[in-house]
Amino acid sequence: DGGITQSPKYLFRKEGQNVTLSCEQNLNHDAMYWYRQDPGQGLRLIYYSQIVNDFQKGDIAEGYSVSREKKESFPLTVTSAQKNPTAFYLCASSAAADTQYFGPGTRLTVL
Amino acid sequence: QKEVEQDPGPLSVPEGAIVSLNCTYSNSAFQYFMWYRQYSRKGPELLMYTYSSGNKEDGRFTAQVDKSSKYISLFIRDSQPSDSATYLCAMSASISFQKLVFGTGTRLLVSP
Repeated sequence: DGGITQSPKYLFRKEGQNVTLSCEQNLNHDAMYWYRQDPGQGLRLIYYSQIVNDFQKGDIAEGYSVSREKKESFPLTVTSAQKNPTAFYLCASSAAADTQYFGPGTRLTVL
Repeated sequence: QKEVEQDPGPLSVPEGAIVSLNCTYSNSAFQYFMWYRQYSRKGPELLMYTYSSGNKEDGRFTAQVDKSSKYISLFIRDSQPSDSATYLCAMSASISFQKLVFGTGTRLLVSP
C-alpha cells in the first residue's frame, strides 16, 4: 500500500522545546517537501530535498531544520527559535517529472 | 500583490449545482497547473493536473487554463455534499522538482 505517512497526527510543544515531525514515503519518490499551512495564508514551503543528503531552504526556513539520510524519510525539527510554530505541517513527495502528493499532516500546538 | 490570487469563500451551493472555482496569477512563466481538494484537518489530495492552456476533464471535474488571461478554473458538475471541502490551486514554472506556488484556497459548501 503506497503512500506518505506523517506522525504524530497531533503534537504539543512547550516553550523552549525542540520537536521532530516524521515523514515517510514508500513511493520511491526522489523529492520530498515540507510545508506549513496557516489559516488564510495557503501553503508555504519550509524545506525541500531533491536527493539523499541534500536539501534546500524554502521561503520560511528560519527556526526549522531537516535531514535526508534515507530516500524514504525526511524528518522536520521545529526548534525553539521558531517563534510562532503553531500550524498544520504537511509533507509531500514527488517523482522527478511529476507533481506533488501530500501526507495527512501533523497539527502542532504550542502550550 | 500575491503571485496567485484565490477567493477564500465560502462558496455555498445546493446539491446538483455547477460550481466554478477560479485562480488568477501574475507570473507568466507558470506552465503547470494543479487543483487539490482538502478536507478539514486532512492533507491535500490531487484532483487535476494540467499543462499549458486548454481543458482537461475527469468525471464531474473539468480544469480550464487560459494563459493569455493568467486565469485557471475548476468546474464541478452535479455537485454533491461530499464535495464540501477547500479547493487549492497550485502552479509551477518547471516540471522537475517543482516549487509550487499555492493559492489560499476556496472553501466550498454543498448543501443537500
